[in-house]
Amino acid sequence: QVQLQQWGAGLVKPSETLSLKCGVFGASFSGYYWSWIRQPPGKGLEWIGEINNSGNTNYNPSLENRVTISLDTSQKLLSLRVSSVTAADTAIYYCARCNIVATKGYFDPWGQGTLVTVSS
Amino acid sequence: HSALTQPASVSGSPGQSITISCTGTTSDVGSYNYVSWYQQHPGKAPQLMIYDVSRRPSGVSNRFSGSKSGNTASLTISGLQAEDEADYYCCSYAGSNTFVFGTGTTVTVL
Repeated sequence: QVQLQQWGAGLVKPSETLSLKCGVFGASFSGYYWSWIRQPPGKGLEWIGEINNSGNTNYNPSLENRVTISLDTSQKLLSLRVSSVTAADTAIYYCARCNIVATKGYFDPWGQGTLVTVSS
Repeated sequence: HSALTQPASVSGSPGQSITISCTGTTSDVGSYNYVSWYQQHPGKAPQLMIYDVSRRPSGVSNRFSGSKSGNTASLTISGLQAEDEADYYCCSYAGSNTFVFGTGTTVTVL
């Protein structure tokens, strides 16, 4: 059974860089894209971006100048960095596997989520 | 891409059927049969309920079904049960390897 386990700093100061990790258990990286999705408190979901095991990335155009997604296949780790954060980046951040076999993509499974608050 | 439009709330009595709409544009929902639906209970991560417009993952109740017409996708829950009370989000492939989610719908079981 595939499981995604997240961790990272829950409090980040404005203008600094948010950094989160997601460990992948029970699945190979190949054949999938690996995504980050966020949800501001009380609001809807927003797709941030994705990466595959070849290092190909796709980003939400509204965020791509501040976002970096990377993959460490040897440690089975997915990472997210968001630079120059503001209060608008306060959200629960989820990692998720994006299934692309015979489809353009759907997200399953998801990590447990990490609340990141941007505040001084 | 702007968020897909969903009604803020839908309610129904136990045993009834309800339908949640998800309206996009010709750049997303209208152009691709890659709409998925997610159920989210309070404090929990979203869970996949439907993918590719109408396909149901193993383990998801057959009371959940999906469809699409033009720029609008729909999720129908039949035989509504108390455990179905949750938030529901649609998601569509939007071209150029990007995705867009819906605004979300809160389902209340009366």
